[in-house]
Amino acid sequence: DTAVSQTPKYLVTQMGNDKSIKCEQNLGHDTMYWYKQDSKKFLKIMFSYNNKELIINETVPNRFSPKSPDKAHLNLHINSLELGDSAVYFCASSQGTSGNYEQFFGPGTRLTVL
Amino acid sequence: EDQVTQSPEALRLQEGESSSLNCSYTVSGLRGLFWYRQDPGKGPEFLFTLYSAGEEKEKERLKATLTKKESFLHITAPKPEDSATYLCAVQAWGVQAGTALIFGKGTTLSVSS
Repeated sequence: DTAVSQTPKYLVTQMGNDKSIKCEQNLGHDTMYWYKQDSKKFLKIMFSYNNKELIINETVPNRFSPKSPDKAHLNLHINSLELGDSAVYFCASSQGTSGNYEQFFGPGTRLTVL
Repeated sequence: EDQVTQSPEALRLQEGESSSLNCSYTVSGLRGLFWYRQDPGKGPEFLFTLYSAGEEKEKERLKATLTKKESFLHITAPKPEDSATYLCAVQAWGVQAGTALIFGKGTTLSVSS
C-alpha cells in the first residue's frame, strides 16, 4: 500500500492556466506538508497543515492555495501559472507537531509550465 | 537565519571505498536532524533522525552521527545500489512553518563497481 500518494505524476500546462495537485496519505498522520524542489534539487517548504491550522511560508505567492477536505488529504491549487512555477512538488505527512516525527514523502508531481 | 549546508555536492566512490558526507547546520534551536535518501524521479526516503549531540544511528552500511554544529553520514564499503542523493534536514524551534524541515542541497553519491 502506498503511504503518501500524489496525482498526477506529471503535469504539463500553459502559462496562465489554473491547476491542482492532489495528495492523500493513509498513515493516519495529523500533519501534512507541501514542498517544492527546484531545478537545482533544492527542497523548500511551502505549507504545513495541522488540524485545520494552515501555516504558510511567507515566500509563497498567494496564487498557491492548499485545500484540506479532511485529515488524509491536502491538495494544492495553483492559479495563473507562471514559467517559474515549473518544479517538482512533493507532499509529505508526519504524525504530529509535538515531537520530532519523521516525515514521509510522496513520489512527487513534476509540473512543467510552457 | 536557519541554514543547512551539505558537502561535498557530489562524491564518486569505488565499490568498497568508505567515505563520509557532511551536513553543517545553523539553527536557533535544534529539534531534530534528519537524513533522507532520494533516488532519481522519486520522493525522499527517510533514513535517520538524530536529536542530540553524541547520538549515533546505524542502518546496514550507513551510520549517522551528530555534534552541536554538524552531522556526518558515514558509508562503509558502499555498493552501487547506494548511489543516490542524500539529503540532510533540520527541524528548528521557532520556525515559521511549524515542524517543516529545512533541507540542505544534498550530496549526490555515485558508487561504481
